[in-house]
Amino acid sequence: EPEVTQTPSHQVTQMGQEVILRCVPISNHLYFYWYRQILGQKVEFLVSFYNNEISEKSEIFDDQFSVERPDGSNFTLKIRSTKLEDSAMYFCASRAGPPQETQYFGPGTRLLVL
Amino acid sequence: AQSVTQPDIHITVSEGASLELRCNYSYGATPYLFWYVQSPGQGLQLLLKYFSGDTLVQGIKGFEAEFKRSQSSFNLRKPSVHWSDAAEYFCAVGPQGGKLIFGQGTELSVKP
Repeated sequence: EPEVTQTPSHQVTQMGQEVILRCVPISNHLYFYWYRQILGQKVEFLVSFYNNEISEKSEIFDDQFSVERPDGSNFTLKIRSTKLEDSAMYFCASRAGPPQETQYFGPGTRLLVL
Repeated sequence: AQSVTQPDIHITVSEGASLELRCNYSYGATPYLFWYVQSPGQGLQLLLKYFSGDTLVQGIKGFEAEFKRSQSSFNLRKPSVHWSDAAEYFCAVGPQGGKLIFGQGTELSVKP
């Protein structure tokens, strides 16, 4: 069964450093998402992406964040200058598109900012 | 405001007992409703979803959920819990194709 994959599974970085989280969505899916879950808190929506454009973003997704689909398979989330409060589990999700409305999630990348 | 409430942070049930996890939502229109499960170290796996039609939906691993519009609820049930069901369960709502709003999650422990 096809699945969403994410790399790395864990990343430790110093405050102020740039990080890139990578996702490979399910191959025929057209819609892509990033969510995050700070320890002990709810899973929160960050951004959705379709047709090489951001279609929706949350207040969390400020200028420090960017997303890109650099080729036909990868979908990346970049944090330019990490803060302590960016420490969280980051989930990528993908969706095929109408009529399929289900988002399928990857296993997550646990980011720790020191 | 749009929100999802899972009132039970942690539930413990005995193996073989029945289970009901509660989910209430506040949403402007009829939402798409989902239950996901997260085992330790794993991602979010879809258990079941409701878009329209029959308000009782069946999912994987023997789970079912019932949509009650009048109560704004989408409770998850299983008639007989197995030890492998121990995990965290998330209810989520959203518009067609849009961002999902998640509940806090309910952690399920299963006693032998």
